[in-house]
Amino acid sequence: DADVTQTPRNRITKTGKRIMLECSQTKGHDRMYWYRQDPGLGLRLIYYSFDVKDINKGEISDGYSVSRQAQAKFSLSLESAIPNQTALYFCATSDPRRRTYEQYFGPGTRLTVT
Amino acid sequence: GENVEQHPSTLSVQEGDSAVIKCTYSDSASNYFPWYKQELGKRPQLIIDIRSNVGEKKDQRIAVTLNKTAKHFSLHITETQPEDSAVYFCAASKDDYKLSFGAGTTVTVRA
Repeated sequence: DADVTQTPRNRITKTGKRIMLECSQTKGHDRMYWYRQDPGLGLRLIYYSFDVKDINKGEISDGYSVSRQAQAKFSLSLESAIPNQTALYFCATSDPRRRTYEQYFGPGTRLTVT
Repeated sequence: GENVEQHPSTLSVQEGDSAVIKCTYSDSASNYFPWYKQELGKRPQLIIDIRSNVGEKKDQRIAVTLNKTAKHFSLHITETQPEDSAVYFCAASKDDYKLSFGAGTTVTVRA
């Protein structure tokens, strides 16, 4: 089945380290998103991309950067990790050509910054 | 930007009873309102959505209602079952991609 995958699934890192979270999809969707989930705050949009050359900041982009290496791959980087970036990170995709605007989420990456 | 408030934060219901979750939004230009369900340890999944030109939408035991004037929308789950236990998120958007999510409601269905 076509899917959205994320690597790693869990990561513990230290303050100040650079870390990259990767997302791949086999759904053939053009749009990709990165969210973070914190207890009591729901899901917040970090970055989104319409295609390889179209990347946009979301609600909380400070401290993060992204790279769209191909239609199927969208990576999120934390240049210098800090403890308040400890969260569950989700990648998602959507296809504007479909009649539904559903976003399909990956399994999530649990990141802990110590 | 859009601000979505969701209530209650937790909801416990007896199996077979109904559950209602309410959300309000701030941007009157919002026109798309999806609901996502996240089971424990799983990824969020869309369960139902509604656009602003529709006042109500139903899919089996779940329904969503929208009041544009009051800027609020609600999720109704009837005849609740144990598998309905999950976290439910509402969201609002004025386009079809930038979703602003509520904080979530943890629903527990008691057997």
